[in-house]
Amino acid sequence: DTAVSQTPKYLVTQMGNDKSIKCEQNLGHDTMYWYKQDSKKFLKIMFSYNNKELIINETVPNRFSPKSPDKAHLNLHINSLELGDSAVYFCASSQAPLAGAGELFFGEGSRLTVL
Amino acid sequence: KQEVTQIPAALSVPEGENLVLNCSFTDSAIYNLQWFRQDPGKGLTSLLLIQSSQREQTSGRLNASLDKSSGRSTLYIAASQPGDSATYLCAVQGAQKLVFGQGTRLTINP
Repeated sequence: DTAVSQTPKYLVTQMGNDKSIKCEQNLGHDTMYWYKQDSKKFLKIMFSYNNKELIINETVPNRFSPKSPDKAHLNLHINSLELGDSAVYFCASSQAPLAGAGELFFGEGSRLTVL
Repeated sequence: KQEVTQIPAALSVPEGENLVLNCSFTDSAIYNLQWFRQDPGKGLTSLLLIQSSQREQTSGRLNASLDKSSGRSTLYIAASQPGDSATYLCAVQGAQKLVFGQGTRLTINP
């Protein structure tokens, strides 16, 4: 059974478009995250949610809007896509009272290419 | 601001060798440190989690140590195998977020 699943796995789109990436975890965790891995393979946190509430917003442009309909889902919507948004986006989850205080489990990533 | 550095950036060794990967961090006020493995085109797999009160953790051929006061962690891999080839990342847990190093790309040659 997949613990943290993301869709789509690959996304190719034109500059200026709006796109969404979905994430679901079946681990019963309270906290979910979005990370961005750039072309140099550097992983950086974007957002974290604890029980549907935003905990961390790491100075991400407001074109990126996360939405957590319930604690098992955290979706990422991106408006007006730019070339620099091309990256691999990873969803993760942990069972922790505070965001990021426990072992993290990652999805397989969504590779976004903006042309 | 926490910074995590991993050295070397890449390492290539013959099969069967024991090896050590290094991770250093600038702020010793951490809750835990986690080692991950990332295969090409894949997500991250958690290997070991060391709480700040612990000195080491072992899982199979892997042993991770933590020296919080000096801001260092090592990942020891015994009797390396070609299947160990991957990028290994360490990440330190501070207040609210996990900060990653840039990883060590490991290649085990048959």
